[in-house]
Amino acid sequence: GQQVMQIPQYQHVQEGEDFTTYCNSSTTLSNIQWYKQRPGGHPVFLIQLVKSGEVKKQKRLTFQFGEAKKNSSLHITATQTTDVGTYFCAGKLMEYGNKLVFGAGTILRVKS
Amino acid sequence: ETGVTQSPTHLIKTRGQQVTLRCSSQSGHNTVSWYQQALGQGPQFIFQYYREEENGRGNFPPRFSGLQFPNYSSELNVNALELDDSALYLCASSLESIAGELFFGEGSRLTVL
Repeated sequence: GQQVMQIPQYQHVQEGEDFTTYCNSSTTLSNIQWYKQRPGGHPVFLIQLVKSGEVKKQKRLTFQFGEAKKNSSLHITATQTTDVGTYFCAGKLMEYGNKLVFGAGTILRVKS
Repeated sequence: ETGVTQSPTHLIKTRGQQVTLRCSSQSGHNTVSWYQQALGQGPQFIFQYYREEENGRGNFPPRFSGLQFPNYSSELNVNALELDDSALYLCASSLESIAGELFFGEGSRLTVL
């Protein structure tokens, strides 16, 4: 089963609305990465968070890593149609030799 | 473009057959990871190769095997194909085995009939 859980599975928003996806692990993660996969495409790296409580911003995207390093979130402000895709978090888990384990992803659809 | 190339892009096999998928990593990257992505799911870690040695394996049976060559390109072999093996197989290269981002190829879509 999934070692890294993401919610929601799917979100459909009106263009201009905000969007947030959450990522949770039962075990401490050494770091967390976020990827975006466009329909029919492959995952593309967005960012990596390493420190407890870390917050990073990329234009309209804000990424957070929890204090306990067991959860993370991605928030998009004022969504645009170009934000459409599936957003995956991926954490390094010790039981997999610190290899990246992906969540199931959150599918974002944006209505214009 | 990530510089990671995979072949073939699409293929169809029947149950019981064997398949080999290939991946050329980005120049300078010594680590290759393979993932299986079923429709509507996240990529599932199969294994990783670092400097020609297997360096971590996910929850996949032994009929999933791999190789990494001196030029760091890689192969994924699957024997005795099952219907559930139908998926997108993604190869990702990285500079180090532990840290840093993964650069994914476009994937090989395998259909098992």
